[in-house]
Amino acid sequence: DADVTQTPRNRITKTGKRIMLECSQTKGHDRMYWYRQDPGLGLRLIYYSFDVKDINKGEISDGYSVSRQAQAKFSLSLESAIPNQTALYFCATSGGGGKGEQYFGPGTRLTVT
Amino acid sequence: RKEVEQDPGPFNVPEGATVAFNCTYSNSASQSFFWYRQDCRKEPKLLMSVYSSGNEDGRFTAQLNRASQYISLLIRDSKLSDSATYLCVVNMEGGKLIFGQGTELSVKP
Repeated sequence: DADVTQTPRNRITKTGKRIMLECSQTKGHDRMYWYRQDPGLGLRLIYYSFDVKDINKGEISDGYSVSRQAQAKFSLSLESAIPNQTALYFCATSGGGGKGEQYFGPGTRLTVT
Repeated sequence: RKEVEQDPGPFNVPEGATVAFNCTYSNSASQSFFWYRQDCRKEPKLLMSVYSSGNEDGRFTAQLNRASQYISLLIRDSKLSDSATYLCVVNMEGGKLIFGQGTELSVKP
């Protein structure tokens, strides 16, 4: 079974709709992250959380919000989706300790029409 | 200037070739360094960490030059299965990773 899971794996939605992407992990890690990936731009950090009570904005947080419901769950919401939020979204976890290795979920392909 | 910059790709090489990827980073406070591998539209996975003394894992060798803020990855005896995008990654203080845009490698028979 995968250690980091994301749902849904694919989603097509319309402009203006609210959508939630969910991430769960069984690695027991405290740190969780949301990234988006666009062709030619690499991975960009949206939000990150170092424990349940800690939420931090990343490089591109505008238009997004997150919720850390438990150590194992970290959700990303698009309050009012727009077409330039069409991207591949990855959730990741890490165990901290400064080493930096992150473990990624399989990704959610989101299309906003 | 981007915080992490990589060689533009794609690199198209024959099987058995040696190929090198370069990466530069702008923040001298960067603490640790990695190469990740990403297969087509799948999740990135850690390939190897990069240490100042240089480190090797089979056919893969990583080097770090802190003075020049430069990281490299050398792949010897390329295999078809090495075809992927290679991401240079820098760990900033506070545990945030900064990813380069990636370099695509295609190994041909």
